[in-house]
Amino acid sequence: QSALTQPASVSGSPGQSITISCTGSSSDVGGWHLVSWYQHHPGSAPKLLIYGDNKRPSGVSNRFSGSKSGNTASLTISGLQAEDEADYHCCSYAGYDTWVFGGGTKLTVL
Amino acid sequence: EVQLVESGGILVQPGGSLRLSCVVSGFNFRSFWMHWVRQAPGKGLEWVSRMNSDGSDTNYADSVKGRFAISRDNSKNTLYLQMNSLRADDTAVYYCAREDGDYTQDYWGQGTPVTVSS
Repeated sequence: QSALTQPASVSGSPGQSITISCTGSSSDVGGWHLVSWYQHHPGSAPKLLIYGDNKRPSGVSNRFSGSKSGNTASLTISGLQAEDEADYHCCSYAGYDTWVFGGGTKLTVL
Repeated sequence: EVQLVESGGILVQPGGSLRLSCVVSGFNFRSFWMHWVRQAPGKGLEWVSRMNSDGSDTNYADSVKGRFAISRDNSKNTLYLQMNSLRADDTAVYYCAREDGDYTQDYWGQGTPVTVSS
Protein backbone atom coordinates (compact mmCIF):
# COMPACT_ATOMS: atom_id res chain seq x y z
CA GLN A 1 0.00 0.00 0.00
CA SER A 2 2.56 2.62 -1.11
CA ALA A 3 1.23 6.15 -1.45
CA LEU A 4 0.65 7.55 -4.91
CA THR A 5 3.16 10.17 -6.03
CA GLN A 6 2.04 13.78 -6.43
CA PRO A 7 4.14 16.95 -6.72
CA ALA A 8 4.33 18.69 -3.37
CA SER A 9 3.36 22.03 -4.85
CA VAL A 10 2.27 23.75 -8.04
CA SER A 11 1.47 27.35 -8.79
CA GLY A 12 -0.18 29.43 -11.47
CA SER A 13 -1.56 32.89 -12.16
CA PRO A 14 -5.27 33.69 -12.38
CA GLY A 15 -6.69 32.62 -15.72
CA GLN A 16 -3.94 30.11 -16.42
CA SER A 17 -4.24 26.32 -16.47
CA ILE A 18 -2.31 23.91 -14.27
CA THR A 19 -2.02 20.16 -14.20
CA ILE A 20 -1.33 17.97 -11.17
CA SER A 21 -0.03 14.46 -11.76
CA CYS A 22 -0.64 11.35 -9.67
CA THR A 23 1.56 8.34 -10.35
CA GLY A 24 0.92 4.85 -9.07
CA SER A 25 1.24 1.35 -10.45
CA SER A 26 -0.67 -1.27 -12.38
CA SER A 27 -2.09 -2.46 -9.05
CA ASP A 28 -3.88 0.80 -8.40
CA VAL A 29 -4.04 3.74 -10.82
CA GLY A 30 -3.41 1.67 -13.93
CA GLY A 31 -5.46 -1.32 -12.91
CA TRP A 32 -8.87 0.24 -12.41
CA HIS A 33 -10.96 3.13 -13.70
CA LEU A 34 -11.33 4.34 -10.12
CA VAL A 35 -9.15 7.40 -9.63
CA SER A 36 -10.74 10.28 -7.75
CA TRP A 37 -9.55 13.79 -6.96
CA TYR A 38 -10.38 15.95 -3.95
CA GLN A 39 -10.03 19.64 -3.17
CA HIS A 40 -9.25 20.33 0.47
CA HIS A 41 -9.20 23.69 2.15
CA PRO A 42 -7.56 23.12 5.57
CA GLY A 43 -10.12 22.93 8.33
CA SER A 44 -12.91 21.99 5.92
CA ALA A 45 -14.24 18.74 4.56
CA PRO A 46 -12.50 17.43 1.42
CA LYS A 47 -14.65 17.94 -1.67
CA LEU A 48 -14.94 15.40 -4.48
CA LEU A 49 -13.95 16.94 -7.84
CA ILE A 50 -13.43 13.94 -10.13
CA TYR A 51 -14.34 10.25 -9.87
CA GLY A 52 -13.97 7.27 -12.17
CA ASP A 53 -10.80 8.81 -13.65
CA ASN A 54 -12.58 11.61 -15.51
CA LYS A 55 -16.18 12.04 -14.34
CA ARG A 56 -17.38 15.22 -12.66
CA PRO A 57 -20.08 15.15 -9.96
CA SER A 58 -22.99 17.46 -10.51
CA GLY A 59 -22.24 20.92 -9.23
CA VAL A 60 -18.49 20.77 -9.83
CA SER A 61 -17.20 23.40 -12.23
CA ASN A 62 -16.20 22.22 -15.69
CA ARG A 63 -12.90 24.04 -15.11
CA PHE A 64 -11.85 20.82 -13.36
CA SER A 65 -11.06 17.82 -15.55
CA GLY A 66 -9.42 14.44 -15.03
CA SER A 67 -7.49 12.15 -17.33
CA LYS A 68 -5.29 9.09 -17.13
CA SER A 69 -2.53 7.46 -19.15
CA GLY A 70 -1.14 4.17 -17.96
CA ASN A 71 -0.24 4.42 -14.29
CA THR A 72 -0.45 8.22 -14.15
CA ALA A 73 -3.62 10.21 -13.58
CA SER A 74 -3.86 13.97 -13.97
CA LEU A 75 -6.10 16.76 -12.73
CA THR A 76 -6.26 19.91 -14.85
CA ILE A 77 -7.68 23.16 -13.56
CA SER A 78 -8.34 25.74 -16.23
CA GLY A 79 -9.06 29.43 -15.78
CA LEU A 80 -7.40 29.49 -12.35
CA GLN A 81 -9.23 31.51 -9.72
CA ALA A 82 -8.08 32.71 -6.31
CA GLU A 83 -10.53 30.36 -4.58
CA ASP A 84 -8.83 27.37 -6.24
CA GLU A 85 -5.91 27.80 -3.84
CA ALA A 86 -6.11 24.64 -1.74
CA ASP A 87 -4.62 21.18 -1.30
CA TYR A 88 -5.47 18.57 -3.93
CA HIS A 89 -5.42 14.84 -3.27
CA CYS A 90 -5.70 11.92 -5.65
CA CYS A 91 -7.01 8.53 -4.62
CA SER A 92 -7.20 5.17 -6.34
CA TYR A 93 -8.88 1.89 -5.56
CA ALA A 94 -6.03 -0.60 -5.05
CA GLY A 95 -7.85 -3.92 -5.13
CA TYR A 96 -8.77 -6.30 -2.29
CA ASP A 97 -11.09 -3.59 -0.89
CA THR A 98 -8.29 -1.16 -0.11
CA TRP A 99 -7.60 2.39 -1.29
CA VAL A 100 -4.46 4.45 -1.64
CA PHE A 101 -4.07 8.23 -1.63
CA GLY A 102 -1.36 10.52 -2.93
CA GLY A 103 0.78 12.74 -0.76
CA GLY A 104 -1.25 15.81 -1.69
CA THR A 105 -0.35 18.88 -3.76
CA LYS A 106 -0.55 22.45 -2.53
CA LEU A 107 -1.82 24.79 -5.23
CA THR A 108 -0.80 28.43 -4.94
CA VAL A 109 -2.57 31.02 -7.08
CA LEU A 110 -0.05 33.80 -7.61
CA GLU B 1 -28.14 18.27 2.77
CA VAL B 2 -25.63 15.51 3.38
CA GLN B 3 -23.72 16.06 6.63
CA LEU B 4 -21.09 14.01 8.45
CA VAL B 5 -19.85 15.19 11.84
CA GLU B 6 -16.94 13.48 13.56
CA SER B 7 -16.20 13.72 17.28
CA GLY B 8 -14.16 12.07 19.99
CA GLY B 9 -10.67 13.20 19.06
CA ILE B 10 -8.47 14.13 22.02
CA LEU B 11 -4.93 13.93 23.41
CA VAL B 12 -4.19 10.35 24.47
CA GLN B 13 -1.06 8.64 25.76
CA PRO B 14 0.81 6.00 23.74
CA GLY B 15 -0.73 2.60 24.31
CA GLY B 16 -4.10 4.14 25.09
CA SER B 17 -7.51 3.69 23.49
CA LEU B 18 -10.05 6.02 21.96
CA ARG B 19 -13.39 5.74 20.18
CA LEU B 20 -14.31 8.17 17.42
CA SER B 21 -17.87 8.77 16.28
CA CYS B 22 -19.34 10.07 13.04
CA VAL B 23 -22.98 11.12 13.05
CA VAL B 24 -24.55 11.50 9.62
CA SER B 25 -27.69 13.14 8.30
CA GLY B 26 -29.28 14.00 4.98
CA PHE B 27 -29.13 10.52 3.47
CA ASN B 28 -30.21 6.95 4.19
CA PHE B 29 -27.20 5.87 6.28
CA ARG B 30 -28.13 2.18 6.34
CA SER B 31 -27.83 2.01 2.55
CA PHE B 32 -24.24 3.22 2.26
CA TRP B 33 -20.79 1.77 2.87
CA MET B 34 -18.64 4.05 5.02
CA HIS B 35 -14.92 4.82 5.43
CA TRP B 36 -12.44 6.31 7.84
CA VAL B 37 -9.52 8.26 6.36
CA ARG B 38 -6.79 10.13 8.27
CA GLN B 39 -4.24 12.85 7.63
CA ALA B 40 -1.13 13.11 9.75
CA PRO B 41 0.42 16.57 10.21
CA GLY B 42 2.16 17.65 7.02
CA LYS B 43 1.25 14.43 5.23
CA GLY B 44 -1.28 13.29 2.65
CA LEU B 45 -4.51 11.47 3.28
CA GLU B 46 -4.33 7.80 4.30
CA TRP B 47 -7.19 5.34 3.94
CA VAL B 48 -7.85 3.57 7.25
CA SER B 49 -10.94 1.38 7.11
CA ARG B 50 -14.24 0.62 5.42
CA MET B 51 -17.47 -1.06 6.49
CA ASN B 52 -20.35 -2.28 4.37
CA SER B 53 -23.90 -1.07 4.83
CA ASP B 54 -25.14 -3.68 7.32
CA GLY B 55 -21.89 -3.96 9.28
CA SER B 56 -21.14 -7.53 8.26
CA ASP B 57 -17.94 -6.80 6.30
CA THR B 58 -14.89 -4.71 7.19
CA ASN B 59 -11.53 -3.85 5.63
CA TYR B 60 -8.43 -2.23 7.15
CA ALA B 61 -5.14 -0.70 6.09
CA ASP B 62 -2.14 -2.78 7.15
CA SER B 63 -1.00 0.08 9.41
CA VAL B 64 -4.03 -0.30 11.70
CA LYS B 65 -5.03 -3.94 11.25
CA GLY B 66 -5.44 -5.66 14.59
CA ARG B 67 -5.51 -2.37 16.53
CA PHE B 68 -8.48 -0.47 15.09
CA ALA B 69 -12.08 -1.65 14.69
CA ILE B 70 -14.76 0.01 12.60
CA SER B 71 -18.42 -0.43 13.52
CA ARG B 72 -21.77 1.24 12.97
CA ASP B 73 -25.20 1.65 14.53
CA ASN B 74 -27.69 2.14 11.74
CA SER B 75 -30.46 2.98 14.23
CA LYS B 76 -28.38 5.97 15.39
CA ASN B 77 -26.97 6.99 11.99
CA THR B 78 -23.53 6.67 13.53
CA LEU B 79 -20.20 5.23 12.41
CA TYR B 80 -17.49 4.42 14.95
CA LEU B 81 -13.75 3.79 15.00
CA GLN B 82 -12.36 2.03 18.06
CA MET B 83 -8.64 2.73 18.27
CA ASN B 84 -6.48 0.61 20.59
CA SER B 85 -2.74 0.37 21.27
CA LEU B 86 -2.33 3.88 19.96
CA ARG B 87 1.11 5.01 18.75
CA ALA B 88 2.61 8.41 18.04
CA ASP B 89 2.26 7.80 14.30
CA ASP B 90 -1.51 7.50 14.72
CA THR B 91 -1.55 11.25 15.38
CA ALA B 92 -3.77 12.70 12.66
CA VAL B 93 -7.05 14.31 11.78
CA TYR B 94 -9.57 11.50 11.27
CA TYR B 95 -12.31 11.88 8.67
CA CYS B 96 -15.35 9.77 8.01
CA ALA B 97 -16.56 9.53 4.44
CA ARG B 98 -19.46 8.00 2.56
CA GLU B 99 -18.88 5.63 -0.34
CA ASP B 100 -21.05 6.29 -3.37
CA GLY B 101 -21.54 2.65 -4.32
CA ASP B 102 -18.78 2.75 -6.92
CA TYR B 103 -15.63 2.69 -4.80
CA THR B 104 -15.50 6.48 -4.39
CA GLN B 105 -15.70 8.45 -1.15
CA ASP B 106 -18.11 11.20 -2.19
CA TYR B 107 -18.99 13.08 1.00
CA TRP B 108 -16.68 13.76 3.92
CA GLY B 109 -16.85 15.29 7.36
CA GLN B 110 -14.58 18.04 8.64
CA GLY B 111 -12.56 15.66 10.75
CA THR B 112 -11.63 15.24 14.41
CA PRO B 113 -8.02 15.58 15.62
CA VAL B 114 -6.30 12.80 17.52
CA THR B 115 -2.95 13.40 19.22
CA VAL B 116 -0.99 10.51 20.68
CA SER B 117 1.69 11.81 22.99
CA SER B 118 3.00 11.44 26.51
